[in-house]
Amino acid sequence: AAGVIQSPRHLIKEKRETATLKCYPIPRHDTVYWYQQGPGQDPQFLISFYEKMQSDKGSIPDRFSAQQFSDYHSELNMSSLELGDSALYFCASSQTSGGGTQYFGPGTRLLVL
Amino acid sequence: GQQLNQSPQSMFIQEGEDVSMNCTSSSIFNTWLWYKQDPGEGPVLLIALYKAGELTSNGRLTAQFGITRKDSFLNISASIPSDVGIYFCAGPTSNTGKLIFGQGTTLQVKP
Repeated sequence: AAGVIQSPRHLIKEKRETATLKCYPIPRHDTVYWYQQGPGQDPQFLISFYEKMQSDKGSIPDRFSAQQFSDYHSELNMSSLELGDSALYFCASSQTSGGGTQYFGPGTRLLVL
Repeated sequence: GQQLNQSPQSMFIQEGEDVSMNCTSSSIFNTWLWYKQDPGEGPVLLIALYKAGELTSNGRLTAQFGITRKDSFLNISASIPSDVGIYFCAGPTSNTGKLIFGQGTTLQVKP
């Protein structure tokens, strides 16, 4: 079965640079969620989109923005990167009519030097 | 805000033993999810529970949705080395579905 696809899997950036993370949800899933996971921590919700509209927002820095496109893929844009942004970033997708159970992608490991 | 308290924090067991972990909250949840995460990988859904009192199995895994809707447990029977990983409970905190997670239970299995 098709799963959530994330790219890139690994990303190394310098401080103050920008990064773009991409997420391709499971086909026919209409909702995308972004989570950040620091070392030894549980995933923390950042932002979500339903049918291409932002549906909820968590502890996402103003330096980050995201959107969902007409083909339902989503991108997380991160600017003015800081050392503390180094983490695993996960995208999850769900089908609202299917109970909303979220399926996670493999993640993007971002390292800011 | 809402929190999920997961215990134990870690377990080191012998292959073949049964394992039990649980998650509690001061708030009511309408859904309980259990995920397993390997290092550097994304959480993989193990079991989803949608109804208070529900008991669901997936192979050697069994999970229950507490009758009060404030707790859930996960049991793994006859553990094997590939059960090693971090197990998270999670639940949606709003009608938008955003999840909060427990702190995780790290499981190590000795062959």
